[in-house]
Amino acid sequence: GENVEQHPSTLSVQEGDSAVIKCTYSDSASNYFPWYKQELGKRPQLIIDIRSNVGEKKDQRIAVTLNKTAKHFSLHITETQPEDSAVYFCAYQTYNFNKFYFGSGTKLNVKP
Amino acid sequence: EAQVTQNPRYLITVTGKKLTVTCSQNMNHEYMSWYRQDPGLGLRQIYYSMNVEVTDKGDVPEGYKVSRKEKRNFPLILESPSPNQTSLYFCASRLLAGPAYEQYFGPGTRLTVT
Repeated sequence: GENVEQHPSTLSVQEGDSAVIKCTYSDSASNYFPWYKQELGKRPQLIIDIRSNVGEKKDQRIAVTLNKTAKHFSLHITETQPEDSAVYFCAYQTYNFNKFYFGSGTKLNVKP
Repeated sequence: EAQVTQNPRYLITVTGKKLTVTCSQNMNHEYMSWYRQDPGLGLRQIYYSMNVEVTDKGDVPEGYKVSRKEKRNFPLILESPSPNQTSLYFCASRLLAGPAYEQYFGPGTRLTVT
C-alpha cells in the first residue's frame, strides 16, 4: 500500500546551522506534498507545501524540493533558531485528493 | 474566528464503553477527516468525508465509525473501545476545490482506554 518514509527520526543542530529532512513516497500519482510542524502538546500546523508541477518552493528560511522521478521530497531550514525545535512531518495526498499519508516525524532540536 | 473544535480534549474510559468524540468546523469546508497519532508512527488517517453523507475509510478504520449528517460536524464513534485505541486523535478540515488547500487541525483529543 501507499506509505511515506521519513528520515532522520531525530536531528540535532547548532543554532544558525541548516537542517534537512527527507521523505520518500510510493504513490507516483501523488500531486500535493505538505510539511507540518508540531510543537509539544499542540496540533500540526502547515509550514510549507508544494504541488507536483513545481520542483522547489521557498518561504523565507524554509524551502521544499520535490523530485517526482525519484519520488522524494525534502524540507530545508536555514539559519535555524531555537524556536524551530519541534517535530516535523512530511505528508502527501493521493491523486484523487481523498487520502493523506504522513511520515513518522522528525524531532528537530536546535541548540542555542 | 475560523477554527476546528473537538470535544472532549481528554477522555479516560474503560474497555467496551461506547464513546463519541465530536468535531466541528466553522469554515464551510467540504472535506473533513480523522487521524490518530501514535509515537513513532506519525498521523494515520482513520476516516474522511468529502461532503454531507459521503464518508470513506482511511488507512486504519477498524474499530471506528463516523457520520456526516451536517456539513460542519464529523463525529468519531468508538462502539466498543479497546486499549489499542488509546491514542491522540485529531480532526481536520479543508476546502475540497483544488488539490492544494491547507488542512486545518483541531486541538486534539487524548483518549485512554483501560
